[in-house]
Amino acid sequence: EVQLVESGGGLVQPGGSLRLSCAASGFTFSSYEMNWVRQAPGKGLEWVSYISSSGSTIYYADSVKGRFTISRDNAKNSLYLQMNSLRAEDTAVYYCARGVGYVGATTSWFDPWGQGTLVTVSS
Amino acid sequence: AIQLTQSPSSLSASVGDRVTITCRASQGISSALAWYQQKPGKAPKLLIYDASSLESGVPSRFSGSGSGTDFTLTISSLQPEDFATYYCQQFNNYPLTFGGGTKVEIK
Repeated sequence: EVQLVESGGGLVQPGGSLRLSCAASGFTFSSYEMNWVRQAPGKGLEWVSYISSSGSTIYYADSVKGRFTISRDNAKNSLYLQMNSLRAEDTAVYYCARGVGYVGATTSWFDPWGQGTLVTVSS
Repeated sequence: AIQLTQSPSSLSASVGDRVTITCRASQGISSALAWYQQKPGKAPKLLIYDASSLESGVPSRFSGSGSGTDFTLTISSLQPEDFATYYCQQFNNYPLTFGGGTKVEIK
């Protein structure tokens, strides 16, 4: 069974840092692109970041560029999101999601998604 | 960034009804559109990709159509388990973007 399990969320003060992890199982992690998508309480979905299967290509949403860093460890079947200089507007459930798309393309849809981890930025 | 506008933002329908949700892109995206279903407290679930391709395991009452800027998700006969929020997502280019969502409620 394909499974993604996020961890690392919690309460952090504005300006603080947090590192999210996503453990993948049930598929060849090193062959797939991965993404982080977030959802603020009661709001819609917002794509945050993308990383290619090798880690050589990375994209960020403008809202997090310069503050968040996506990375992966294919040997550990794990995806990460280092979040620095956190703001109240970063409060959200953060999902990791496997990217699925056309061969050779860097854009993708998402399937499956993890269950999410809640990040709350508040003093 | 490509903006996706979903309509309506919410609707009330009865079991057995035919439901149509619209997603309009601010510029042409060919068929690079996916649809997701999200239930309260749960992660989104992929329903449709490539505008009209049904994801494996998704009931055939769900269908998608459209290309360019105008897309629709149709539920041919609404079932009790279909009451949820539905999102479209474009994957034509970065930043990847989502529509604002359509909440389907019980009438």
